[in-house]
Amino acid sequence: KNEVEQSPQNLTAQEGEFITINCSYSVGISALHWLQQHPGGGIVSLFMLSSGKKKHGRLIATINIQEKHSSLHITASHPRDSAVYICAVPSNTGNQFYFGTGTSLTVIP
Amino acid sequence: EAQVTQNPRYLITVTGKKLTVTCSQNMNHEYMSWYRQDPGLGLRQIYYSMNVEVTDKGDVPEGYKVSRKEKRNFPLILESPSPNQTSLYFCASRALYVSGLDTEAFFGQGTRLTVV
Repeated sequence: KNEVEQSPQNLTAQEGEFITINCSYSVGISALHWLQQHPGGGIVSLFMLSSGKKKHGRLIATINIQEKHSSLHITASHPRDSAVYICAVPSNTGNQFYFGTGTSLTVIP
Repeated sequence: EAQVTQNPRYLITVTGKKLTVTCSQNMNHEYMSWYRQDPGLGLRQIYYSMNVEVTDKGDVPEGYKVSRKEKRNFPLILESPSPNQTSLYFCASRALYVSGLDTEAFFGQGTRLTVV
């Protein structure tokens, strides 16, 4: 059983499209993290959120604590958004992260 | 600039030859951890450390050792590497987690290890 489930696993979009990536989790959390990993690159933290919505440029993250669900939206997608997006939640003690298996996004010009 | 630095970025080695991957952070974070990333399996935790001289096993610790002698450094040691340890490794750090108050995680650039 996976504590964190992401969908879709793979996503191809045309430049300019609105993109949504979903994350559901089964553990109680204090916050959920969205991470970005470019091909061959390191991992960058995009958002850490515990309620409501956060926005950074064209990226928007929302979370519904009651439903244990979070979404990452990308507006006006661009080829440079092509990356793997990973959601993660900490364990109750904070010693571990539970990671989703990631969503591989390709944005075609 | 806040960062987590791993070295080397790429490493090819032979079975059984001891190696160390270094990890250093400049944010005075208490918590550091190591992960491996494999296709289809995602990120899995190897070891973590809550502070100097405090380390504990994650989900996949077999074949790995760590040490935390200084707050900024958390090296990953493979005493006798085997081909099944071929993977992409990430080090991460964050301020100590307080119940109900999560902290942002910072990741290194990754080390791609191949054991032949």
